[in-house]
Amino acid sequence: NAGVMQNPRHLVRRRGQEARLRCSPMKGHSHVYWYRQLPEEGLKFMVYLQKENIIDESGMPKERFSAEFPKEGPSILRIQQVVRGDSAAYFCASSPIPDTQYFGPGTRLTVL
Amino acid sequence: EDKVVQSPLSLVVHEGDTVTLNCSYEVTNFRSLLWYKQEKKAPTFLFMLTSSGIEKKSGRLSSILDKKELFSILNITATQTGDSAIYLCAVTPDNQGGKLIFGQGTELSVKT
Repeated sequence: NAGVMQNPRHLVRRRGQEARLRCSPMKGHSHVYWYRQLPEEGLKFMVYLQKENIIDESGMPKERFSAEFPKEGPSILRIQQVVRGDSAAYFCASSPIPDTQYFGPGTRLTVL
Repeated sequence: EDKVVQSPLSLVVHEGDTVTLNCSYEVTNFRSLLWYKQEKKAPTFLFMLTSSGIEKKSGRLSSILDKKELFSILNITATQTGDSAIYLCAVTPDNQGGKLIFGQGTELSVKT
């Protein structure tokens, strides 16, 4: 059973560009969570999704950030018009029920 | 505001030493506490604790929860260099869909 997969592992964008981060949960997991880890900081919750539904987006910045988890395909975290402060590691986690979460390897976003 | 505090923030020990990592929390409607190990990649699940006083054990690692005093400890006996990592404590508030609130982490370094 493959673990949580994220791609790309590293992403470089210039200010103003869009970043798209993908997450494929573990097989049989329908709950997906996104977290952000800024340099020298802990993991911070961003959003919780189930298939085709956003359950909790209380940790998402109000502008430029969006997330989806379509019926088919991976979950996508989208950051529009990136700024240098968006540089961070973005982790996705999945679980079969709202319980123990298993994390992917993360996407390290660098904004130039 | 829900909060998780870990101590110490960093720790240097020698191989063979025993270490105790601390995690205290303040959260409304506590559901569970989780420990993860993070090396230069995905946080790896170690333990989930829901009941006070019941020790969870896996090899040289063990953990226990005190819901009255609102803290947990993670013990590692006979430490090895491979134990060097950041250890993360996280709490799941009930009725919030399973999102994790993380502490800052304890960076453990095991020297030969």
